[in-house]
Amino acid sequence: DTAVSQTPKYLVTQMGNDKSIKCEQNLGHDTMYWYKQDSKKFLKIMFSYNNKELIINETVPNRFSPKSPDKAHLNLHINSLELGDSAVYFCASSQDGFYTDTQYFGPGTRLTVL
Amino acid sequence: KNEVEQSPQNLTAQEGEFITINCSYSVGISALHWLQQHPGGGIVSLFMLSSGKKKHGRLIATINIQEKHSSLHITASHPRDSAVYICAVGYDKIIFGKGTRLHILP
Repeated sequence: DTAVSQTPKYLVTQMGNDKSIKCEQNLGHDTMYWYKQDSKKFLKIMFSYNNKELIINETVPNRFSPKSPDKAHLNLHINSLELGDSAVYFCASSQDGFYTDTQYFGPGTRLTVL
Repeated sequence: KNEVEQSPQNLTAQEGEFITINCSYSVGISALHWLQQHPGGGIVSLFMLSSGKKKHGRLIATINIQEKHSSLHITASHPRDSAVYICAVGYDKIIFGKGTRLHILP
């Protein structure tokens, strides 16, 4: 059983399109995250949700909108895709927050914007 | 100056060697994480520390809050330990180091 899953694994799209990445965790965790890893392999946190409520929202363009329909899912919707959005996006979950608990990462979604 | 600095950036060692990777940070923190990113891209959380020392198998992580420094040690290193090791600190925001690329030669 996959603990944290993401779909799709690869996403290739044109500039200006809108796309979504889905994340699901079957660990019963309360907190979920989205991270972006750029071409230089540098990780940055984008969002964190706890029990469907947004608790971390880093400086991310408002073209990125997270949606948490329930605590097991945290989807990432991206409007008007730009070349600079090309990256690997990782979803993660933990029982408690970043400051108190280890995280479990999904396999990543490689987004390429042409 | 980056808020989180890792050293070395790259490390190549022979199988069996004792490995130390360092992480220094410039702010007061609530927690520090060590992550391992495999060559295939997958990320595994190794440790979460707020004080002291933790051990898991051949891996040991320590943190000195006063000195704002953490170390990750690998004993009896093995080629399968080859990966990028990343530290991340959390205070009022979460900041990642740029990673240490470790290559263990058989």
